[in-house]
Amino acid sequence: DAGITQSPRHKVTETGTPVTLRCHQTENHRYMYWYRQDPGHGLRLIHYSYGVKDTDKGEVSDGYSVSRSKTEDFLLTLESATSSQTSVYFCAITRDPQETQYFGPGTRLLVL
Amino acid sequence: EDKVVQSPLSLVVHEGDTVTLNCSYEVTNFRSLLWYKQEKKAPTFLFMLTSSGIEKKSGRLSSILDKKELFSILNITATQTGDSAVYLCAVPNNAGNMLTFGGGTRLMVKP
Repeated sequence: DAGITQSPRHKVTETGTPVTLRCHQTENHRYMYWYRQDPGHGLRLIHYSYGVKDTDKGEVSDGYSVSRSKTEDFLLTLESATSSQTSVYFCAITRDPQETQYFGPGTRLLVL
Repeated sequence: EDKVVQSPLSLVVHEGDTVTLNCSYEVTNFRSLLWYKQEKKAPTFLFMLTSSGIEKKSGRLSSILDKKELFSILNITATQTGDSAVYLCAVPNNAGNMLTFGGGTRLMVKP
């Protein structure tokens, strides 16, 4: 299995508070991705990174920001959490974006 | 805009049945199509298909791609309860820097 961890694994927070999710990899892969998964929507890309300090928006980036200061870490921040951001968040990595991505275990976020 | 549509949305079968899951796609510059299995956790990789008509096989699972008709199928023979999962397909986008996922097919295999 690819060495990907996510933290925290579960989080409950209140509307309006900032939240940061962390994805950490030990594979030295260049590409890292943040997805959210909601019933009826499948996996939707939030942001991705193609290198240190190189990031770009995905399909559902509003309300989220990311940072990648080291190859191994990709952070997702909800600046001011809303109930619509209640979801399961997956991080994924790949050496080549045209090939398979390897997924982390997911973070379950509940915004009250 | 790239698009991936999976059917059926959900499926209930009994152990021993054979199932066929469908994935149709529209992408400007086709590179590959990937299948994943997702149980109550992260998706895990099953197959990557790049060429039409060449079957990929792993145990009771197999998949084939039709680049002319723009679809792929995933077959599972002699289903078991452990096959119960959501099956996802995905294609790289035109720029080749991200995957577009379908909505998934939820398969339930009853004993």
